[in-house]
Amino acid sequence: AQKVTQAQTEISVVEKEDVTLDCVYETRDTTYYLFWYKQPPSGELVFLIRRNSFDEQNEISGRYSWNFQKSTSSFNFTITASQVVDSAVYFCALTLRGGGSYIPTFGRGTSLIVHP
Amino acid sequence: SQTIHQWPATLVQPVGSPLSLECTVEGTSNPNLYWYRQAAGRGLQLLFYSVGIGQISSEVPQNLSASRPQDRQFILSSKKLLLSDSGFYLCAGGGDWETQYFGPGTRLLVL
Repeated sequence: AQKVTQAQTEISVVEKEDVTLDCVYETRDTTYYLFWYKQPPSGELVFLIRRNSFDEQNEISGRYSWNFQKSTSSFNFTITASQVVDSAVYFCALTLRGGGSYIPTFGRGTSLIVHP
Repeated sequence: SQTIHQWPATLVQPVGSPLSLECTVEGTSNPNLYWYRQAAGRGLQLLFYSVGIGQISSEVPQNLSASRPQDRQFILSSKKLLLSDSGFYLCAGGGDWETQYFGPGTRLLVL
């Protein structure tokens, strides 16, 4: 069975600080996808990124960056120069490739509060 | 890209009343569709998923049921709501099967 752990329940930072959200996963499969979603106060989960298990390249998108390390089974998410609009709950998820249903395993989420 | 529509956005229902939440998908065909519930505390609980018309898999036995009458329509129902059915219900799906896209959600309060 798969497991995704987001050990940080809540993080509070002041605007312009950098912040890293941790995600550690467990799976015996070698082919899988990892995801990050953002859930703002409005409630809708917004897809941020998908990473294939065979692609360990880090990715940067504006102020967002993701560090995928298979050696430590981690897929961490860093926000540089945080802004108030980044305040949300962030979920990490893992889905196995193949099988047809693609049911993801979600972490419990990390609540990020960015203070002005 | 696909868009997930859900309605209503908010619903207040008395205990024992029926429920029908609808989800439709736009921009893709033959998507996998999912219903999640999110209670206070943030965790996402998968309730049902469907890989095709009329095909429903239940992940958690409960007071709810799901149906998929059309390719891009997924309905969550209950004959008699319980207080414990209160929560935030999210529909997800997508033609890119590995990535789930979510709808805006329905906040259900059972009184």
